[in-house]
Amino acid sequence: DGGITQSPKYLFRKEGQNVTLSCEQNLNHDAMYWYRQDPGQGLRLIYYSQIVNDFQKGDIAEGYSVSREKKESFPLTVTSAQKNPTAFYLCASSILPGNTGELFFGEGSRLTVL
Amino acid sequence: GENVEQHPSTLSVQEGDSAVIKCTYSDSASNYFPWYKQELGKGPQLIIDIRSNVGEKKDQRIAVTLNKTAKHFSLHITETQPEDSAVYFCAARGYGGSQGNLIFGKGTKLSVKP
Repeated sequence: DGGITQSPKYLFRKEGQNVTLSCEQNLNHDAMYWYRQDPGQGLRLIYYSQIVNDFQKGDIAEGYSVSREKKESFPLTVTSAQKNPTAFYLCASSILPGNTGELFFGEGSRLTVL
Repeated sequence: GENVEQHPSTLSVQEGDSAVIKCTYSDSASNYFPWYKQELGKGPQLIIDIRSNVGEKKDQRIAVTLNKTAKHFSLHITETQPEDSAVYFCAARGYGGSQGNLIFGKGTKLSVKP
């Protein structure tokens, strides 16, 4: 089945450690996105990529990094510089970047910093 | 940039009643307004959307209305069922480039009591 796969579903990290969240899609979508979800805060955009080897900062990019070496993959690294990393992270993709294309979301990764 | 306000943050209804969720947006250039439903532990899924050249759209028990003059749009769910219980997000999108990313409201947790 086509879709977006995020892994791991749950992740625990000690303070000071970097962690990478995986996002893979087999929908042949050009655009991919990372959102952070906190209780009562909705979805906030971290980074997005409209094409391979190119990505842009979203509204809350500080403390995060991404890469887009392949069309189907858009991993997110939460660095030790992120002051409050505990959150639910959602990856999404769409056919048409910057247009009215539907976003398809993965099932999310919950990161907890101990 | 765009700002989306969503109300109420929580909504509880009896099965069979109607539910209404309202959103306002700030950027008059926004032209696309989707609604996403997020079930517990999963990623959001698009349930209905509306473009700025349309005032109302229906899909079975779900409808969305748009008032461009007042810059607000609403989700209407009729004959609610327990499986409608979820968090609902509204969003708005401008046209093209960095303005083309969705801005989400903070979500409404809908509970439908049997």
